[in-house]
Amino acid sequence: QKEVEQDPGPLSVPEGAIVSLNCTYSNSAFQYFMWYRQYSRKGPELLMYTYSSGNKEDGRFTAQVDKSSKYISLFIRDSQPSDSATYLCAMEPTSGTYKYIFGTGTRLKVLA
Amino acid sequence: DTGVSQDPRHKITKRGQNVTFRCDPISEHNRLYWYRQTLGQGPEFLTYFQNEAQLEKSRLLSDRFSAERPKGSFSTLEIQRTEQGDSAMYLCASRGDSGNTIYFGEGSWLTVV
Repeated sequence: QKEVEQDPGPLSVPEGAIVSLNCTYSNSAFQYFMWYRQYSRKGPELLMYTYSSGNKEDGRFTAQVDKSSKYISLFIRDSQPSDSATYLCAMEPTSGTYKYIFGTGTRLKVLA
Repeated sequence: DTGVSQDPRHKITKRGQNVTFRCDPISEHNRLYWYRQTLGQGPEFLTYFQNEAQLEKSRLLSDRFSAERPKGSFSTLEIQRTEQGDSAMYLCASRGDSGNTIYFGEGSWLTVV
């Protein structure tokens, strides 16, 4: 079993829809949780960063962390065709290893 | 541009040849990382530098791979005697002392034929 599981998709939604992207993990030591967006043949771009459990909002994006369930989510409101990309979750323990563990990424397509 | 810069962006090489990738991190970022990403997978950690010191290497980094960061500025990742299984995107990232997140470059695509 991988440390971080992420549904690879693809996920297709109409423009304006609310998108929910999720990751589960097995290592309870993870404390830092990130979401990256990656366009085709480009490097990952940091979207959201959260520490421990709770919610964080930034514009149309909301990140949620539920450590008790080992489950994190990214919500995208009013999705746009420009949101079409692969979304990667990443996690890091507090041990200071500075090594991120990534999910496989979920491909999202927002249809105009 | 003040982001992480990688060069070359694309490289096609014949099996058995050596290739070298360069990474210029964000200015004043003392931590530099190399990751590898294959199609349909997330990035996988390869190695990590703090200033010029290589502090950790993944078991994914075989003896054919070597990374350096002379003077704690730019870094190079060399792959010797390339194999088809080395075909991937090699990502560089950097991080500052006060940051808790890493910032990636655009990646260097390697195709071994």
